[in-house]
Order: sequence, then C-alpha cells, then structure tokens
Amino acid sequence: AQTVTQSQPEMSVQEAETVTLSCTYDTSESDYYLFWYKQPPSRQMILVIRQEAYKQQNATENRFSVNFQKAAKSFSLKISDSQLGDAAMYFCAYSYLYNNAGNMLTFGGGTRLMVKP
Amino acid sequence: DTEVTQTPKHLVMGMTNKKSLKCEQHMGHRAMYWYKQKAKKPPELMFVYSYEKLSINESVPSRFSPECPNSSLLNLHLHALQPEDSALYLCASSQEVRAEQFFGPGTRLTVL
Repeated sequence: AQTVTQSQPEMSVQEAETVTLSCTYDTSESDYYLFWYKQPPSRQMILVIRQEAYKQQNATENRFSVNFQKAAKSFSLKISDSQLGDAAMYFCAYSYLYNNAGNMLTFGGGTRLMVKP
Repeated sequence: DTEVTQTPKHLVMGMTNKKSLKCEQHMGHRAMYWYKQKAKKPPELMFVYSYEKLSINESVPSRFSPECPNSSLLNLHLHALQPEDSALYLCASSQEVRAEQFFGPGTRLTVL
C-alpha cells in the first residue's frame, strides 16, 4: 500500500524568507506522480506543483520548487520569498493510475504553514 | 472554463432528510471524484467515476449514493445521514492520462 508521511504538523516562516516542507512516501510502483496541494482557510484545494516520477529534473513553479529524491522516496517543497497569502495547510499527495479506473490520490497528514509579517 | 463548481456551499440537514450535492466541470475530464474531509485531516476518497461509470467505491455506507448523469455532472445523494457524516465534501476531476485532480470549493455539510 502507498503511504505518504509529512513529519512537520506545523511550520512558520517570516515573510520574504524561505521555508521547506518535508514529505516522504512509500511505494513499489515505478510510474507515479507527486503533488503539493495548498488548502487555505477557504478550504479550496489548490494544486501548487507536480512532479512526474520518470523526470529527474525538479519541478519549479515561480516561487515554489521541489527537491525530488526518487531513491530516498522524498519530495520536499521549497517556498521562496514567502508571502502572507502562502499561509495554508499544505498536503503532499502521491498519485497512481488504479486499474485504469482513475488516478488515486493518497494524501499525507498535512503541514500547517504560518507566515509572520 | 478551468474550474469545478459545487452546490450548495453549505447544507444543514436532519437525519431523516434526503438531499443532494452537485458537482460540475466543463474541462472535458472523464474522471470525477468525491472526497470527504474532516477538520484538520486530509481528504478521504469516497467514489471514482470514469467515463460516467462508477469504477471505485471505497467501502462507503449506502446512505451515500453517487450518480453521474453525464460526463460533466456528478451528484451525491444523501439519505438518513448521521451526525458523524458532518464534513466538507469535495468534488474533483481529472483526465485519465494526466494525474492532476482539480478540486471544487466543497460543500460544508452539517447533520443535526
């Protein structure tokens, strides 16, 4: 079974500084995707960034980047130049195609990020 | 149109009521999902529809009944719910060959 672990229940960062959120996962699959989703107080789940397992290059999306270590099964998210609007719950998620029926998402427990002005 | 919409935003119902949640997407996605999310917890998958057919049911009680009338629409019919069913219900969609799921804003359900 696939599991996703986020070991940091809460993190805080000063505005304009950089913070890294950790995520590890366990799988025997070779073809999968990894995501970071953001859920602000409004509760809307917003896709932040995706990484395909077959790609060695780390994904980046503006101020957001990942450090994908496939052998170590690690997938951390770095947020640069943190902004007040980055305050949210962040979920790491593992995705794989399940019996051609759809993409199954397994979520980690989440990390609550607080941004201090 | 790159969004998933859900109605209603909030719903309060008694344990004997019958109600429905609605989800709509116009992105041409062929897979749609229902999740349940309790406070401070990650979403839990309930159902997956692929090409309008129910493909995954994660052992959800029969008081939750999903329906996919067409490729853009997904309903969740609720009947005889329990107070512990109070939660945020999220709908999502994706293309089968691509892994991103796009989420709607959710329906906050309270069962009295």
